[in-house]
Amino acid sequence: GESVGLHLPTLSVQEGDNSIINCAYSNSASDYFIWYKQESGKGPQFIIDIRSNMDKRQGQRVTVLLNKTVKHLSLQIAATQPGDSAVYFCAETPHSGGGADGLTFGKGTHLIIQP
Amino acid sequence: GAGVSQTPSNKVTEKGKYVELRCDPISGHTALYWYRQSLGQGPEFLIYFQGTGAADDSGLPNDRFFAVRPEGSVSTLKIQRTERGDSAVYLCASSWGLAGDEQFFGPGTRLTVL
Repeated sequence: GESVGLHLPTLSVQEGDNSIINCAYSNSASDYFIWYKQESGKGPQFIIDIRSNMDKRQGQRVTVLLNKTVKHLSLQIAATQPGDSAVYFCAETPHSGGGADGLTFGKGTHLIIQP
Repeated sequence: GAGVSQTPSNKVTEKGKYVELRCDPISGHTALYWYRQSLGQGPEFLIYFQGTGAADDSGLPNDRFFAVRPEGSVSTLKIQRTERGDSAVYLCASSWGLAGDEQFFGPGTRLTVL
């Protein structure tokens, strides 16, 4: 079936550098995309979201870019800190319109911040 | 206020046994979701409740899995005749119930079937 996947399973960056985590999705009907951060032993934590009618959204130190033409999503984290070390998942909902839906998650990228 | 809570945090059982996993959503959230996360994988959707009713149970893998939410708040995920392949972290999330609402996740229950 259609799914959300990631290009890189592990990403190591120096503290203070910027990081980019990529995600490819295959469902062209996807309407809503979310990035989650998951630390060991904890549930996923919402970072930032974007709807299909946008191509960029910024938060505090994070930016999400959406390229619908190539079905690609990326998360940019500026000035990485040790606390950014975690597994990052992209997720999407395949339906649009009213009503909440279950999310389809990718496999995750493990971000490691080197001191 | 309190976040989503799940009990127990860990459950070890033997193959063939019955287990129940509990989720307490954030107060006032009408939508409740169950996911299953295997080691090294992203969460996999199981079932979603809107109020007391299951709005989408398409992710339940087979009829050994069942979930209820009788009063529209606490939910229980029930697994009959457990198999070793059921071992995973079972995550619960809740939201206000509208499209695009943020889903808040609990810490999960780690189920190990021996």
